[in-house]
Amino acid sequence: NAGVMQNPRHLVRRRGQEARLRCSPMKGHSHVYWYRQLPEEGLKFMVYLQKENIIDESGMPKERFSAEFPKEGPSILRIQQVVRGDSAAYFCASSETGANTGELFFGEGSRLTVL
Amino acid sequence: AQKITQTQPGMFVQEKEAVTLDCTYDTSDPSYGLFWYKQPSSGEMIFLIYQGSYDQQNATEGRYSLNFQKARKSANLVISASQLGDSAMYFCAMRKGSQGAQKLVFGQGTRLTINP
Repeated sequence: NAGVMQNPRHLVRRRGQEARLRCSPMKGHSHVYWYRQLPEEGLKFMVYLQKENIIDESGMPKERFSAEFPKEGPSILRIQQVVRGDSAAYFCASSETGANTGELFFGEGSRLTVL
Repeated sequence: AQKITQTQPGMFVQEKEAVTLDCTYDTSDPSYGLFWYKQPSSGEMIFLIYQGSYDQQNATEGRYSLNFQKARKSANLVISASQLGDSAMYFCAMRKGSQGAQKLVFGQGTRLTINP
């Protein structure tokens, strides 16, 4: 039973390029969350999605960042025109329901480096 | 607003000793959940233990226990009989207890180093 799968694990981009990070939730999970971890800091919530819907994007920067979770396929976090400050680890997590019970399962993270 | 405070940036402990990692929280919600995660140098986030605000007893999971003091708004993690493999970053996190979403607020973390 595979856990939350994220790819790529490491991504290097030059300033101005686009970064696409993918997340496949655990089997049977339809709720996906993206978090960002800047160096030497804790994780910060970005966005919460269910299949085909964005439920809460209160932590997403207003520009250049977008997320989707299509009916088929993984959730995608897209960063356009990356800048050095986007360098961080991006974690995806999934849960079976949106209820406030139980465990949130994290992926291993995708580490973005912007040159 | 919710806030998690971890006041110990780093801790050094001898192997086999017990260690307590501090965590205080601030919330006005009566219902909430508290988590501890371990992040080794490889980077993944490993769930350790969970405490609900209405749970009567302190949570325990193997060598991990959570010292939950609701009146003081603290949720310290206790690791008994520490091992070299416990060396990692440890994050305390809080989930708002009301409607929907596993939206966690994380502290800054404590870097634990276990010395042989």
